[in-house]
Amino acid sequence: AQSVTQLDSHVSVSEGTPVLLRCNYSSSYSPSLFWYVQHPNKGLQLLLKYTSAATLVKGINGFEAEFKKSETSFHLTKPSAHMSDAAEYFCVVSLEFGNEKLTFGTGTRLTIIP
Amino acid sequence: ETGVTQSPTHLIKTRGQQVTLRCSSQSGHNTVSWYQQALGQGPQFIFQYYREEENGRGNFPPRFSGLQFPNYSSELNVNALELDDSALYLCASSSKQGNTEAFFGQGTRLTVV
Repeated sequence: AQSVTQLDSHVSVSEGTPVLLRCNYSSSYSPSLFWYVQHPNKGLQLLLKYTSAATLVKGINGFEAEFKKSETSFHLTKPSAHMSDAAEYFCVVSLEFGNEKLTFGTGTRLTIIP
Repeated sequence: ETGVTQSPTHLIKTRGQQVTLRCSSQSGHNTVSWYQQALGQGPQFIFQYYREEENGRGNFPPRFSGLQFPNYSSELNVNALELDDSALYLCASSSKQGNTEAFFGQGTRLTVV
């Protein structure tokens, strides 16, 4: 069975400081991993995806994530937070490349302090 | 905008009633997946349709059913509504050819009273 655990339900950072959202995964096979963002009253948007190519994945809006097999982690980072980054972030795992049958984490709410 | 549209955006139903939610997939996509997102939770996979056939199902009872039409749009039907069915229902479209990402609609907020 595949699963993801988001280690923080809520993260608060000041504008201009680094962001770290933590995610551990569990999968019997080589997984595809994703981060999605959900702004209030909007649909889910793909930030980035890992599919067994480079372990450091760059996404949109300055976000990136590093796949660490030895730690079974896929943490999301951004060097400098912006007010527009305030949203709910989901770590997601899939056994099938093609982004189908996704298994979502419980989410991390990111708050940006002015 | 993703090109995936869901209707209606909001819906209030009474316990025991039936509901149909609709999703139009993005042009060129042949696969539709449905997810239920309860308040404060991550989305949970309900089922997926590929070329009008169910192609995988999550841990949801049979009163959750679906259809996919020749134009790849889809419906989610829920019978005998329960209070716990209150949630945001999300539709995602993708294509099995080319391994494209899944694009999500903005969802239908269902409230069961």
